[in-house]
Amino acid sequence: AQTVTQSQPEMSVQEAETVTLSCTYDTSESDYYLFWYKQPPSRQMILVIRQEAYKQQNATENRFSVNFQKAAKSFSLKISDSQLGDAAMYFCAYRPREANSKLTFGKGITLSVRP
Amino acid sequence: GAVVSQHPSRVICKSGTSVKIECRSLDFQATTMFWYRQFPKQSLMLMATSNEGSKATYEQGVEKDKFLINHASLTLSTLTVTSAHPEDSSFYICSARPAGTGAGELFFGEGSRLTVL
Repeated sequence: AQTVTQSQPEMSVQEAETVTLSCTYDTSESDYYLFWYKQPPSRQMILVIRQEAYKQQNATENRFSVNFQKAAKSFSLKISDSQLGDAAMYFCAYRPREANSKLTFGKGITLSVRP
Repeated sequence: GAVVSQHPSRVICKSGTSVKIECRSLDFQATTMFWYRQFPKQSLMLMATSNEGSKATYEQGVEKDKFLINHASLTLSTLTVTSAHPEDSSFYICSARPAGTGAGELFFGEGSRLTVL
């Protein structure tokens, strides 16, 4: 069975600084997707970034980038130039590539941003 | 991006009554939708996978008769909490994946907060 582990329940970052959220996963699949979702206080789930396992290049979306280490099964999220609006819960998630497969979430991490 | 709408966003009901939550994909067709339950400060727990035109697939430990799921069209799935009790109070979220795409992400509804008195 696939599992996603986010071992840090909470983190805090100073505004304008950089923070890294860690995530590890376990799977026997070779082709899959990894995601980071953001859930602000509104509870709306927002996709932050997506990584396809067969792509070696780390995904980047503006201030958000990942460090994808396939052999180590690690998928960390780096937020640069942190903003107050980045404060939210962040969930790491995994899905096998096959159609209609389920999304497995980590427990999430609460990120606070200090002004 | 694709839009998924949930209704109602908040509902309060008396114990013993049934509540229906709708999940609609507004600008795409979804052969598969997923229903999640989330407790405060916790992760999303998958309850069931809803397939258009067929029975839903429930996760282990989820009562099929308590949480009725219907996926009558390619744009609508409903979750009915039957004979609701206070322990059913929670935040329910649906998600959908556009049909015909092998693409990764799911699109999520805004969620529905259920309070059972």
